[in-house]
Amino acid sequence: DVVMTQSPLSLPVTLGQPASISCRSSQSLVHSDGNTYLNWFQQRPGQSPRRLIYKVSNRDSGVPDRFSGSGSGTDFTLKISRVEAEDVGVYYCMQGTHLITFGQGTRLEIK
Amino acid sequence: EVQLVESGGGLVQPGGSLRLSCAASGFTLSTYWMYWVRQGPGKGLEWVSRINRDGSSTDYADSVKGRFTISRDNAKNTLYLQMNSLRAEDTAVYYCARGVVWDWGQGTLVTVSS
Repeated sequence: DVVMTQSPLSLPVTLGQPASISCRSSQSLVHSDGNTYLNWFQQRPGQSPRRLIYKVSNRDSGVPDRFSGSGSGTDFTLKISRVEAEDVGVYYCMQGTHLITFGQGTRLEIK
Repeated sequence: EVQLVESGGGLVQPGGSLRLSCAASGFTLSTYWMYWVRQGPGKGLEWVSRINRDGSSTDYADSVKGRFTISRDNAKNTLYLQMNSLRAEDTAVYYCARGVVWDWGQGTLVTVSS
């Protein structure tokens, strides 16, 4: 089974400052079709998860451009260029190359 | 507007059964793989099961294999999760999600307790 490891698990950030979350997989997420199925989800308090990024670096419709995804192989990053109050919540990476596995989640809070 | 509405959750005793439903609207269910994901109280997201477009192929997390069965009725635009031999550790909010785009329902709470 693929294990997804996120860090940090808790991320206090000052408003307007950048934030970065790392996600590492226990094996390569490059699919036999050439795609890398690595998604990022945001879960605000009391809400269902919402996908922000798909296939490593593609932003979903309506997602602010301050969110960006990068990485390859086994090492991936979600970056928020300037954190806003509405970004508070838990962020999960998810791989869909080898069945489905989620990371443990990173809780972003305002410092 | 795309909607996924889960139902069927509730309180059940250990060893009991429940059947969850996910009613889909605003899109053609038969064109998407569908997923069940759960979230225990105060915990992270855990993938439970998935089913292909026509229901001929299914996969399960090891934690539920042999106890849960995913199915779908494309004519009724509904996804199901039959849960048997329930355990306390199955207590969670259960979400259905649409593949490819990964939009989610609001979830239904399952509590396994005596």
